[in-house]
Amino acid sequence: SQKIEQNSEALNIQEGKTATLTCNYTNYSPAYLQWYRQDPGRGPVFLLLIRENEKEKRKERLKVTFDTTLKQSLFHITASQPADSATYLCALDLPPGGKLIFGQGTELSVKP
Amino acid sequence: SAVISQKPSRDICQRGTSLTIQCQVDSQVTMMFWYRQQPGQSLTLIATANQGSEATYESGFVIDKFPISRPNLTFSTLTVSNMSPEDSSIYLCSVANTGELFFGEGSRLTVL
Repeated sequence: SQKIEQNSEALNIQEGKTATLTCNYTNYSPAYLQWYRQDPGRGPVFLLLIRENEKEKRKERLKVTFDTTLKQSLFHITASQPADSATYLCALDLPPGGKLIFGQGTELSVKP
Repeated sequence: SAVISQKPSRDICQRGTSLTIQCQVDSQVTMMFWYRQQPGQSLTLIATANQGSEATYESGFVIDKFPISRPNLTFSTLTVSNMSPEDSSIYLCSVANTGELFFGEGSRLTVL
């Protein structure tokens, strides 16, 4: 079955640094991969979607890469801020389409 | 985008009882999904709620335990039947739009 793994350890970084989160998957070739942010007590919020034929996508301070050979996505937050502290989830699409499976998430803490 | 309202936002339930969670969307959507997020865990897809037909359940989830209704394109319910403490979780409704998912705020159930 499909398996998704994210950094299991919480990530603690200093404000202003770049946070890099990893998402690895096995037994599957998704058409696209997505990243979500989840704050405590809230539902996940969509951040970025990257398709299998795209290597990189950017949105403001966010950058996502997608390496289908390595079966890995990297999620970067540049110039990080304390407000970026949250849990970040990666998700892959499941056929026949529309459904997503999620990784366990990585908790990011940005210290001032 | 889509705005999703879930009710109740939280509840405390007794073992053996059933609870129905409602999900209302502010626009007509084809695909609605129900996810579960157990404490400290990521999201697990329970089922796809299909308008006009029975829901499609993922492995490990059955209709008798989690009956779902989808009477129209803006509304769905999930019932958690014959609850046990293991059902204590956050239940999230989501809708798909061009690949990305929009989530409600979730319904946090505690079963005593």
